[in-house]
Amino acid sequence: QKEVEQNSGPLSVPEGAIASLNCTYSDRGSQSFFWYRQYSGKSPELIMSIYSNGDKEDGRFTAQLNKASQYVSLLIRDSQPSDSATYLCALKTSGSRLTFGEGTQLTVNP
Amino acid sequence: NAGVMQNPRHLVRRRGQEARLRCSPMKGHSHVYWYRQLPEEGLKFMVYLQKENIIDESGMPKERFSAEFPKEGPSILRIQQVVRGDSAAYFCASEPERASYTQYFGPGTRLTVL
Repeated sequence: QKEVEQNSGPLSVPEGAIASLNCTYSDRGSQSFFWYRQYSGKSPELIMSIYSNGDKEDGRFTAQLNKASQYVSLLIRDSQPSDSATYLCALKTSGSRLTFGEGTQLTVNP
Repeated sequence: NAGVMQNPRHLVRRRGQEARLRCSPMKGHSHVYWYRQLPEEGLKFMVYLQKENIIDESGMPKERFSAEFPKEGPSILRIQQVVRGDSAAYFCASEPERASYTQYFGPGTRLTVL
């Protein structure tokens, strides 16, 4: 079982719709969770971090964490073509390293 | 406040040569991480360093790869006798003094081995 699993994608949504990105993880000791956005040929850019169960909102982005279900998600409201990118779910367990999922490619169609 | 800096941005080497990748963390950050992203794959942890110390190198290949973060100057990832399979994007990330903070990534070095 992979440590971090994401929707296989690619995910395609129309402009203005809600994009839902999902991630599950295997290590119950995971403490910190992150969503990074990566445009093609660029470096990962931090979108959201979440540490406790529940929702965390930042502008059009909402991260949701459910530690009991070992599940973290990212919702993007009012999706824009500029949101088209690969979204990486990452987490920290007991150490300091980040463990990444394979990423979900999102395309927002005008 | 300058972000994480990496150089060179692109590096071309022939098989058997050495590659040196440099990373200067953000001001005030003393924790440096190196990650590798192979074509069409996710990011994989390689090594975690603090000044003059390797904290976790469990992701580093056992041979040909080494990393350092000296008291003065940038962190360096060194790959000796490169092979075509080393072709990848190498990203450096830094974190402030408190390791619980999030990691911020540099622009990466794209290594191509001919």
